Amino acid sequence: QKEVEQNSGPLSVPEGAIASLNCTYSDRGSQSFFWYRQYSGKSPELIMFIYSNGDKEDGRFTAQLNKASQYVSLLIRDSQPSDSATYLCAVNPVSNDYKLSFGAGTTVTVRA
Amino acid sequence: NAGVTQTPKFQVLKTGQSMTLQCAQDMNHNSMYWYRQDPGMGLRLIYYSASEGTTDKGEVPNGYNVSRLNKREFSLRLESAAPSQTSVYFCASSRLAGGGTDTQYFGPGTRLTVL
Repeated sequence: QKEVEQNSGPLSVPEGAIASLNCTYSDRGSQSFFWYRQYSGKSPELIMFIYSNGDKEDGRFTAQLNKASQYVSLLIRDSQPSDSATYLCAVNPVSNDYKLSFGAGTTVTVRA
Repeated sequence: NAGVTQTPKFQVLKTGQSMTLQCAQDMNHNSMYWYRQDPGMGLRLIYYSASEGTTDKGEVPNGYNVSRLNKREFSLRLESAAPSQTSVYFCASSRLAGGGTDTQYFGPGTRLTVL
C-alpha cells in the first residue's frame, strides 16, 4: 500500500467552479499534511499545510483534514485558468522518520 | 534572496558517464534533500541531510552519492549513469528535518537524460 494516494486525474472543471482534490494516507501517526502546486515544467510550491482536524482556509483554498478517516482534501473555490496545474499531497509519516512522503499528484485543468 | 538554486538546468549523459548536480540555498536552512520525479511516481527521496555534516539514504539511493559541503550546499553525484536515472531532479531545503509544520522549499530542478 502506498503511503500517500491521490486520484491522478485529470480533473477538469469550468472556470468559477469548485475543484475538489482528495488524498488518503496510510500511517495513522502522521502529523502534518501539505499541499503543493506544480505547474508544468516547474518546481513544486507550497500552497498550504494543515495539522489539526477540520478546515483551514487561505484565500480561495481550503484544506480539510480528517485523521480518523486518514483523509485530507483541498478545495479550490472560484477556479481560475491559472489554477491549472498538478497538485501534490505530502504527509510526514512516523514510519518514515517524519520525512515527507508525496502522492503522485492530481492534474487539474480549469476550462475557460 | 535566491532561495534554492540548482545547476545545471538540463543535462544529457551517455550510459556510464558521471556527473554532479549542484544545489545551494541561502535561507540558512539546516536540512536539505534530493528528490527525483518520474511520470506517475510523484517525488521520491534519494538522499537527505538533516544538518551540516550528516547525510542519510532516502527511498531510492542506489546509484547515487551525496556530499553536504557546508550548510548552504548539497551535491548529488551519479558515478556511472544509467538510462533508469533519466528523470527530473529537485533539491529542497527546510529549516528542520521533519516533524511539525516544517516546510520544504524546492529548487527549479535539473532535467537529466541518460542515453
